[in-house]
Amino acid sequence: DARVTQTPRHKVTEMGQEVTMRCQPILGHNTVFWYRQTMMQGLELLAYFRNRAPLDDSGMPKDRFSAEMPDATLATLKIQPSEPRDSAVYFCATPPGTLYGYTFGSGTRLTVV
Amino acid sequence: EDQVTQSPEALRLQEGESSSLNCSYTVSGLRGLFWYRQDPGKGPEFLFTLYSAGEEKEKERLKATLTKKESFLHITAPKPEDSATYLCAVQTSYDKVIFGPGTSLSVIP
Repeated sequence: DARVTQTPRHKVTEMGQEVTMRCQPILGHNTVFWYRQTMMQGLELLAYFRNRAPLDDSGMPKDRFSAEMPDATLATLKIQPSEPRDSAVYFCATPPGTLYGYTFGSGTRLTVV
Repeated sequence: EDQVTQSPEALRLQEGESSSLNCSYTVSGLRGLFWYRQDPGKGPEFLFTLYSAGEEKEKERLKATLTKKESFLHITAPKPEDSATYLCAVQTSYDKVIFGPGTSLSVIP
């Protein structure tokens, strides 16, 4: 199945709570990118992994965000503690051949109140 | 600083009225330029990759072109189903992909 699956699709949480977003990349593709999209900033790269190892997470606020890829079928993005300014749509994307474009998931719309 | 800009921010066309969207970039070494389409509530959908100045790609009513400093997405005789946000992205020589802010296209029947 050539799809990237993200869960949950929507998440509303209170400020200070932990949020975990999940991504199932396309089977067999070993690179996962995490993006955040807001009206003000557009699509921003947060982090990316290749073969489960982090390659670049310079776009991610280190004090509250963490990204992992515990196995080839799952990537996670965690925010702890969450803040209202984290409200955005978070996308993950594969495959690894960036010169051929990414396949994006449908995103997780996060609202922190 | 690597940067991608798009214009116009929004474009409203009558059905059948052809036009072009612009993507301008300043990056340290271009490995590829991408065009995506994004519908509300969905992730971006890949359209084209362009690698070098002078290259052109076509898909249905869309045609993308690339020069050394910008790319154009030409839309010929658009239909209402072409309404979406069109995103441009560039991959730099150090493998980062930077997205532009997008152009929101509305095609009115």
